[in-house]
Amino acid sequence: NAGVTQTPKFRILKIGQSMTLQCTQDMNHNYMYWYRQDPGMGLKLIYYSVGAGITDKGEVPNGYNVSRSTTEDFPLRLELAAPSQTSVYFCASSYPRRPPVMNTEAFFGQGTRLTVV
Amino acid sequence: GQQLNQSPQSMFIQEGEDVSMNCTSSSIFNTWLWYKQDPGEGPVLLIALYKAGELTSNGRLTAQFGITRKDSFLNISASIPSDVGIYFCAGQGKTSYDKVIFGPGTSLSVIP
Repeated sequence: NAGVTQTPKFRILKIGQSMTLQCTQDMNHNYMYWYRQDPGMGLKLIYYSVGAGITDKGEVPNGYNVSRSTTEDFPLRLELAAPSQTSVYFCASSYPRRPPVMNTEAFFGQGTRLTVV
Repeated sequence: GQQLNQSPQSMFIQEGEDVSMNCTSSSIFNTWLWYKQDPGEGPVLLIALYKAGELTSNGRLTAQFGITRKDSFLNISASIPSDVGIYFCAGQGKTSYDKVIFGPGTSLSVIP
């Protein structure tokens, strides 16, 4: 199993350009997440999805969009890139446990380092 | 909203020393997770805790789920140079539909 795979690993964008960060997982996990990590900081949740066709906003969703048409893929879209979106982006996935243990842990991809100039 | 605090923010220790760090929240969590992030890599899960009071070990690492459900602790015994990295705690709420929230991290440096 490859786990969680993110592409590209690095990208430089000009202000106003758009791009899609790809994320795919082969673990048949229901839940997928997008986080951003600014230098020296923790992880901020952008969007998450509890299953195909279902997405919800996290802490910092502005300037981003997501879709979840399949269980495997959870792309993150930046429509009008801004310097404030310079960050490292991590995709993660997790699976629901059976009762009585209902909670779970997230597995991360290697990250996409994005610079907006 | 839910927020996690970690302390200390950073630590510089001698190789061989023991390390303690903690994570606190104003909200109750049903799951506590500890991750380690090496430079340029994604976080990797170290220990998962699912029950208040639970004490779990993974090699030289030991983590505890606080009785109040609002805190968790991670200890590393006999530190080695490869322990260097950022340690994140994360919490998840009452159900498996709740999102995972991360703390700001504790940066650990080990001096040989």
